[in-house]
Amino acid sequence: GAVVSQHPSWVICKSGTSVKIECRSLDFQATTMFWYRQFPKQSLMLMATSNEGSKATYEQGVEKDKFLINHASLTLSTLTVTSAHPEDSSFYICSAHLAGVPDTQYFGPGTRLTVL
Amino acid sequence: SQQGEEDPQALSIQEGENATMNCSYKTSINNLQWYRQNSGRGLVHLILIRSNEREKHSGRLRVTLDTSKKSSSLLITASRAADTASYFCATDGQGAQKLVFGQGTRLTINP
Repeated sequence: GAVVSQHPSWVICKSGTSVKIECRSLDFQATTMFWYRQFPKQSLMLMATSNEGSKATYEQGVEKDKFLINHASLTLSTLTVTSAHPEDSSFYICSAHLAGVPDTQYFGPGTRLTVL
Repeated sequence: SQQGEEDPQALSIQEGENATMNCSYKTSINNLQWYRQNSGRGLVHLILIRSNEREKHSGRLRVTLDTSKKSSSLLITASRAADTASYFCATDGQGAQKLVFGQGTRLTINP
């Protein structure tokens, strides 16, 4: 089956630093990837849609200058949390849409970000 | 908020019993999916039901969909301790392959 990986699986950083999270589709091409954020004991909230070769589309209320998304290839999207603050501490999950096949999204294992 | 609602928010039952979780959503959909999430882990896709389907089975899972009521239910029969997890429904009502997740049900199976 299709596999999506995320790196790192967890990261602890100091307030004010930037953190990059990678999302890779390992055995398929993904023209579209999605980034979600999940706070403890809450549901997943879509942050943005990452499109290969074009700018990401952000959901309402998500700061595009704070959460930089780069989808440079058909198998890699990155989310950079810039100038991280403690309130950015969360579980970040990506998913990848299998190109050409509707209704198929494969989720990564998530990245736990803790900002001190 | 576009998010759907799930009830109950938490459910605790004895091993062997059946567990039923409900999901309501707000917009028209093409399909509805159910996912499981173990604590601190990623999502595991369980089942997808299309808007023209009313019921679907997969192993011990049974999903129903009532588009007139904009609701779905997930039944897990003969529950096991390993079924302990959070369960989320997700709909594609916003288009462009976007998924909107429900609030989730935290299921605990007591041995």
